[in-house]
Amino acid sequence: QSVLTQAPSASGTPGQRVTISCSGGSSNIRSNTVNWYQQLPGTAPKLLIYNNYQRPSGVPDRFSGSKSGTSASLAISGLQSEDEADYYCAAWDDSLNGLLFGGGTKLTVL
Amino acid sequence: EVQLVESGGGLVQPGGSLRLSCAASGFTFRTYWMHWVRQAPGKGLVWVSRINSDESSTSYADSVKGRFTISRDNANNSLYLQMNSLRAEDTAVYYCVRGSSSWRNAFDIWGQGTMVTVSS
Repeated sequence: QSVLTQAPSASGTPGQRVTISCSGGSSNIRSNTVNWYQQLPGTAPKLLIYNNYQRPSGVPDRFSGSKSGTSASLAISGLQSEDEADYYCAAWDDSLNGLLFGGGTKLTVL
Repeated sequence: EVQLVESGGGLVQPGGSLRLSCAASGFTFRTYWMHWVRQAPGKGLVWVSRINSDESSTSYADSVKGRFTISRDNANNSLYLQMNSLRAEDTAVYYCVRGSSSWRNAFDIWGQGTMVTVSS
């Protein structure tokens, strides 16, 4: 079964740059665009990055996305306390004919 | 205001059925692909199903295929999820989600979610 793999946790101090990775395969990340979601505690997820690197209006440019081959990354620069949240990558999978989410990365701002 | 509001969640016994509804407002519902995404308590996001704008095409996660049916009523700006043969592992918050106009698998609008609990 195809899966998108994320580290379960990440951390950083205010002002620091952190990177969250998402590893997949040829039928998902390599073949399709990657999107990233931010879920603050107790709230519905929010679209953070779409089409690998694009930001919806209102998302600060501190957030950036990239993709290479079968992996994608979300970078957060100038880390702030309000960035403490769960982050999920997602991509369509052509073999499954369905959408996959990564397992999520819980970001802690120390 | 662009909004999605789910309803229909609740407590149901294993093997039972439930129908979730999602009321859309503030946008031209009939032109968007729509999805359902669920999240078990303390767990991650799981895509459940999607339907295209004119209801001619649907897709399901393997875990719900044959048990769940997604549908929509464009005249009434509503999305539905009929859930049959429910199992304990279907317990989750179910989110109604809009696929963006340019990137249909990018979910740009989320509802607040409705909780489904499957338990005897």
